[in-house]
Amino acid sequence: SYVLTQPPSVSVAPGKTARITCGGNNIGSKSVHWYQQKPGQAPVLVIYYDSDRPSGIPERFSGSNSGNTATLTISRVEAGDEADYYCQVWDSSSDHPNVVFGGGTKLTVL
Amino acid sequence: QVQLVQSGAEVKKPGASVKVSCKASGYTFTSYDINWVRQATGQGLEWMGWMNPNSGNTGYAQKFQGRVTMTRNTSISTAYMELSSLRSEDTAVYYCARGFRVVEMATTLSYSFDYWGQGTLVTVSS
Repeated sequence: SYVLTQPPSVSVAPGKTARITCGGNNIGSKSVHWYQQKPGQAPVLVIYYDSDRPSGIPERFSGSNSGNTATLTISRVEAGDEADYYCQVWDSSSDHPNVVFGGGTKLTVL
Repeated sequence: QVQLVQSGAEVKKPGASVKVSCKASGYTFTSYDINWVRQATGQGLEWMGWMNPNSGNTGYAQKFQGRVTMTRNTSISTAYMELSSLRSEDTAVYYCARGFRVVEMATTLSYSFDYWGQGTLVTVSS
């Protein structure tokens, strides 16, 4: 089955840029989506189709995807960005197509 | 505005079944899939499966095949997820989420979740 690998944690100072990676075999051939989840809340879609932002998501959030790595970039990080972030793809490479989530990355704002 | 409102918390004994509901509003219920995703305390997101409210067709993650059933009542725009033979490891928050599928030549190219319910805590304990 397809595996997505994320670093467990990323730390960044306010105002700086955070980059959260999502590794997978030839992930560049798939569409990657990213979710933000704050404690006690449901996940929120922040990036879809690798780099598109849903309405209401700040321009500070951007995404890219190439080769074996997709990246969520958060510019000018704010305290309110502290959350868990998950990448997700649709995997149709096996006999049983399914949704795959990465293990999640905890973003800490120092 | 799109909303998915789930039923309240449940406490079940091992071996029992639980049925969680998800009432949709703000859009045409039969136009988008409903998915179920669960999350154990302190753990990541785990996808359980999808259901097409229009056709009733379903697709379940292999891990839950034979134990999960996803249904709907289109007259009240509500989806249901029933999980049977519960065990302690099933203790988790269960979310419904609207699925946005991009299809080309009958092949799913992309599948994302644009709206989520608030979550339902299911506790399995003797």
